[in-house]
Amino acid sequence: GQQVMQIPQYQHVQEGEDFTTYCNSSTTLSNIQWYKQRPGGHPVFLIQLVKSGEVKKQKRLTFQFGEAKKNSSLHITATQTTDVGTYFCAGLTGANNLFFGTGTRLTVIP
Amino acid sequence: KAGVTQTPRYLIKTRGQQVTLSCSPISGHRSVSWYQQTPGQGLQFLFEYFSETQRNKGNFPGRFSGRQFSNSRSEMNVSTLELGDSALYLCASSKEGQGPSGELFFGEGSRLTVL
Repeated sequence: GQQVMQIPQYQHVQEGEDFTTYCNSSTTLSNIQWYKQRPGGHPVFLIQLVKSGEVKKQKRLTFQFGEAKKNSSLHITATQTTDVGTYFCAGLTGANNLFFGTGTRLTVIP
Repeated sequence: KAGVTQTPRYLIKTRGQQVTLSCSPISGHRSVSWYQQTPGQGLQFLFEYFSETQRNKGNFPGRFSGRQFSNSRSEMNVSTLELGDSALYLCASSKEGQGPSGELFFGEGSRLTVL
């Protein structure tokens, strides 16, 4: 069935290092969203990508949507302790079903 | 603008009991979707309601049900609880639902423990 795979599951980085998480879908997506969930918190919307090959930036965060609209990535430059949390992608299929990735839990070591 | 409100925040039940969770969406949002979050399975979609109609349903047994009222508030019910139902249940609201403009606003969740 449809699912969105996300890697890595866990990532530990030294503060100041970069971080990237990847999502891959088995089918073409209409759009992809990214959410961040702080420890003990709830997911918070970060961004939505719609167009093939789209790249969006939010300060130190760069989001990409693949040309085939089957994969996406989130890259954080120079991580800070405030970046700690779990990052989820969520892919929307043509049938309007939203599938969340398994998430990448980021730990930033000061 | 008030956010998504879920009640209760925490609850403990025993196997075989049933539970009802409530979600009040952001004012003006007509779509409410429910998710189960566990450490092992991540965020799994339960169902989505839009204008009192179930629009989408995930792959959960019939013990999981929901409904939406005319004021967009939603409830979900789990009957005959099992240990594996222990999870954080998240409700999310959006203006139009899980579509092209479907940014989801999540509540704090209801943490259910089944003993």
